[in-house]
Amino acid sequence: AQKITQTQPGMFVQEKEAVTLDCTYDTSDQSYGLFWYKQPSSGEMIFLIYQGSYDEQNATEGRYSLNFQKARKSANLVISASQLGDSAMYFCAMRDPRSGGSYIPTFGRGTSLIVHP
Amino acid sequence: ETGVTQSPTHLIKTRGQQVTLRCSSQSGHNTVSWYQQALGQGPQFIFQYYREEENGRGNFPPRFSGLQFPNYSSELNVNALELDDSALYLCASISDPRNANEQFFGPGTRLTVL
Repeated sequence: AQKITQTQPGMFVQEKEAVTLDCTYDTSDQSYGLFWYKQPSSGEMIFLIYQGSYDEQNATEGRYSLNFQKARKSANLVISASQLGDSAMYFCAMRDPRSGGSYIPTFGRGTSLIVHP
Repeated sequence: ETGVTQSPTHLIKTRGQQVTLRCSSQSGHNTVSWYQQALGQGPQFIFQYYREEENGRGNFPPRFSGLQFPNYSSELNVNALELDDSALYLCASISDPRNANEQFFGPGTRLTVL
């Protein structure tokens, strides 16, 4: 069975600084995908970034980068130059291989990020 | 292009009652997924509908059921409500079920069961 662990229930960061949100995963599959989502207080989940298990380079999307360490089974999200609008819940997720071709994610419990001015 | 909408925004029910939640998908999206997010947890997959047929189901009992209509909007029905059904229910409108970046979530319906 798959498992996603986010050990930081809450994180605080000063505006314009970088912050790393931790995610570790457990799977026996060789082929898998890892994702990060942002959930503002309004409720909707917003896709941020994706890393495939066979991707050799770390994924980047604007201010978001994914620090993928396959041997350690970690997929940490790095947000550079934090902005006040980054304050939200952040979820790490993994594609469930039982879903075949469809993307059906297993989510972690999330990390609450608060950006201070 | 309009976003994903869900109704109602909030709902209060009592144990044993039945509830129907609605989701309007984005134009051109033929796939919808539903998720349950309990307080302090990540979302859990309930089921997915593709062109009006159930296309995958998570670990939820049969009292959770759904429908997808010809216009690809969807309903989630929960019978015999239990206290633990209190949660935020999210739907995702999907243009390509293989890709995470092609799933667009609605704002959710907050269900409270008393």
